[in-house]
This record gives sequence, C-alpha cells and structure tokens, in this order.
Amino acid sequence: EAQVTQNPRYLITVTGKKLTVTCSQNMNHEYMSWYRQDPGLGLRQIYYSMNVEVTDKGDVPEGYKVSRKEKRNFPLILESPSPNQTSLYFCASSLSGGFHQPQHFGDGTRLSIL
Amino acid sequence: DQQVKQNSPSLSVQEGRISILNCDYTNSMFDYFLWYKKYPAEGPTFLISISSIKDKNEDGRFTVFLNKSAKHLSLHIVPSQPGDSAVYFCAASGGDMRFGAGTRLTVKP
Repeated sequence: EAQVTQNPRYLITVTGKKLTVTCSQNMNHEYMSWYRQDPGLGLRQIYYSMNVEVTDKGDVPEGYKVSRKEKRNFPLILESPSPNQTSLYFCASSLSGGFHQPQHFGDGTRLSIL
Repeated sequence: DQQVKQNSPSLSVQEGRISILNCDYTNSMFDYFLWYKKYPAEGPTFLISISSIKDKNEDGRFTVFLNKSAKHLSLHIVPSQPGDSAVYFCAASGGDMRFGAGTRLTVKP
C-alpha cells in the first residue's frame, strides 16, 4: 500500500530535550516536505526536499532541522524544543518537485512540548 | 501573511443538499489550486485540483470553480453525504504551496 509513515504519532516531552520525528514513504517520490498545523493558520511549510541531499527552508524553519540521506526518509529534528513548537506535524511527499503535483500526507504527529 | 484564506471556519448542510466551500487568494502568481479533505486523526488527502487556464473542473460529486479576476475559488459538493463531513483545505501553488486554514464541513443526515 502506498503510504507516508510518521513516527511517533504522539509525543509529550520537555523543553530542551532533542527529539526526532521520522518520515518514510514507499512511493519512490522525489519531493518530501514537513508542515505544521496550528489553529486558524492552516498548514505551514517548515522544510522541503526536492531530492536526496537537497533540502530548503519553507515558511517557518526556525528551530527545526532536516536531512535527506535516502530517497524514502525525511526526518524532522528539533534540537532544543520549546513550547511554541507544540503543534500537529505532517510529512508529505509527491512524485516530483513540481508544485502542480498533489501531495500524499502522513497521518500526523502531535507534539506537546512542556 | 496569509495568502490563501478560507473565511468560513465551519459549514453545516443537510444530506442531499449542495455544500459550497470558498477560498480567496491574494497572490496573482498562483497558477494551480487544490482541495484536500482531512478526517480526524488522519492526514489530508487530495480531492480535486484546477489549473489557472481553466475555470471549472469536475470529478463526480465534486466541482471546483475558479474566478481569476476575483482571486476566488470554490468547491461544490452535490449531493452532500454524511461521509463528506471533514475539514477541507484549499491550497494554491505558483513556486511554492500555500494552504488555507480549513473549513469544517458537517453534513447532517
């Protein structure tokens, strides 16, 4: 089954404790992206990757890091999480980097930073 | 700044009637528009899209209309079904992808 898998689905942690949210897709997609969803703000892009070893900042990259060492994986790293990073996070992928491609989304990761 | 706006946070309609979800955008560089549907505890799923060279695209019960001069698009669902109850996100692309805040549709039996 074609899918984007995120882990963990839920996480409660404390300020400053490094965490990683993993994202994996099995569709051989070139393009992958991370979004956060906050009430009244919709989905805002954090980082995206057009292909392996190619990453770029989205609208809200502060406090986040990403890497794309393999085509299928695109982890999101919070080196020193803060409460304002409490949010619902989605990973997405599409066949190519063209923005006319519909994206496939994972089921989300709800992070609570205390 | 929110370049894509969905001004109605929620909408409630009766089963069998038409649902109309609206979306406005400000950036004239956007040339491709998409609608996604999201159920609770799931990620958004692609529903329908439209290119800026068209003013209408239809897929079964779902039709998207684009009015470029007004920078407005709408999603029509006819007839609405209880299973259509979800949050609907409008998205626009033209170099990058921007999403609206979403509209929660409730279809009552």
